[in-house]
Amino acid sequence: NAGVTQTPKFQVLKTGQSMTLQCAQDMNHNSMYWYRQDPGMGLRLIYYSASEGTTDKGEVPNGYNVSRLNKREFSLRLESAAPSQTSVYFCASSEALQGMTDTQYFGPGTRLTVL
Amino acid sequence: KQEVTQIPAALSVPEGENLVLNCSFTDSAIYNLQWFRQDPGKGLTSLLLIQSSQREQTSGRLNASLDKSSGRSTLYIAASQPGDSATYLCAVISGNTPLVFGKGTRLSVIA
Repeated sequence: NAGVTQTPKFQVLKTGQSMTLQCAQDMNHNSMYWYRQDPGMGLRLIYYSASEGTTDKGEVPNGYNVSRLNKREFSLRLESAAPSQTSVYFCASSEALQGMTDTQYFGPGTRLTVL
Repeated sequence: KQEVTQIPAALSVPEGENLVLNCSFTDSAIYNLQWFRQDPGKGLTSLLLIQSSQREQTSGRLNASLDKSSGRSTLYIAASQPGDSATYLCAVISGNTPLVFGKGTRLSVIA
């Protein structure tokens, strides 16, 4: 039981390049989330998926797209990376189908640098 | 808009001391409040979840309390140990808003 896994662990991009961050969970959770963590800003929600087939914007969605590929996997795509997207990205999941009232379980994070 | 504040931003205590971390939130209509621990370079680990109908939750040396009416929660750590050194984050869910996090308290327990 691996919990929430994220790939890659580290990534360096040049401005304008694109990439996809992958996330998978093996806990049969319904809801999945993408956060970014920046010094002095705390954790901020980018996008979330309350259930398979649905996605919604969080606090800071601009410059990102997401895909809920199936119940297990939730990917985050940067179409044209910018230095402002340099951050640590965390994926999380929870059992709740609606209302997101259950404990969230977090992956180890992806450290992204955009030059 | 829900805002979560954690005070202090950093705290250093000697081993064995009991300590309290504080969390406040601006919108008292919350579903639940969660405390997380984050070790350097790692993801978040859930410590305690308090539903809006509850007043406190306990796990081992940790006790979290919730006072919805005043918009406050505290995390009490008894008999602190160097292994407790980490950043502690508070987060709330209210209305249709997913988790809103505070910026955390960085705790150092000195042996």
